[in-house]
Amino acid sequence: DGGITQSPKYLFRKEGQNVTLSCEQNLNHDAMYWYRQDPGQGLRLIYYSQIVNDFQKGDIAEGYSVSREKKESFPLTVTSAQKNPTAFYLCASSPGPVRGTDTQYFGPGTRLTVL
Amino acid sequence: KNEVEQSPQNLTAQEGEFITINCSYSVGISALHWLQQHPGGGIVSLFMLSSGKKKHGRLIATINIQEKHSSLHITASHPRDSAVYICAVLYNFNKFYFGSGTKLNVKP
Repeated sequence: DGGITQSPKYLFRKEGQNVTLSCEQNLNHDAMYWYRQDPGQGLRLIYYSQIVNDFQKGDIAEGYSVSREKKESFPLTVTSAQKNPTAFYLCASSPGPVRGTDTQYFGPGTRLTVL
Repeated sequence: KNEVEQSPQNLTAQEGEFITINCSYSVGISALHWLQQHPGGGIVSLFMLSSGKKKHGRLIATINIQEKHSSLHITASHPRDSAVYICAVLYNFNKFYFGSGTKLNVKP
């Protein structure tokens, strides 16, 4: 089955530690996205990638880093510089942004809690 | 400043009721999406609209570009429709703005 997988579903981290969230897709999509969701707020874009080996900052990139070495994978690292990392993180992909009206397909999300 | 506003924030309905969720936006858009987020967190895309009206089963989505407004209707609501419904607008063909969502609870 085609889709997007994120792991782990729940993640706990101590303050001061970096942590990497996994996102894999087998939809052959060019574009991939990372969003953060906080209670009572809309999704906010952290980073996005339109093609392998290229990515751009979104609205709230500070304290996060990404890589896009393979088309299928877009891991997100939450660094110790992120001041308030506890949140629900969603990964998404779309066939490509060029057409502009592509549907985004979302993964199941990872809930990160910093202890 | 929120580019996308949804109303109501919370909605409780009895099974069988007709439900309307509203979305207003302030930017010129390329397209508007309605998404459904299940209690576990997963998000599914329901509709993508750039004009007019779309229907899928008991769900109907409409958009009025001039008034910058969209509605999502659910006919004959059912407890399994309980979820958070999110409006998202695509701006300039490459940027999404998301509403904060409408939490719907349909009681049997």
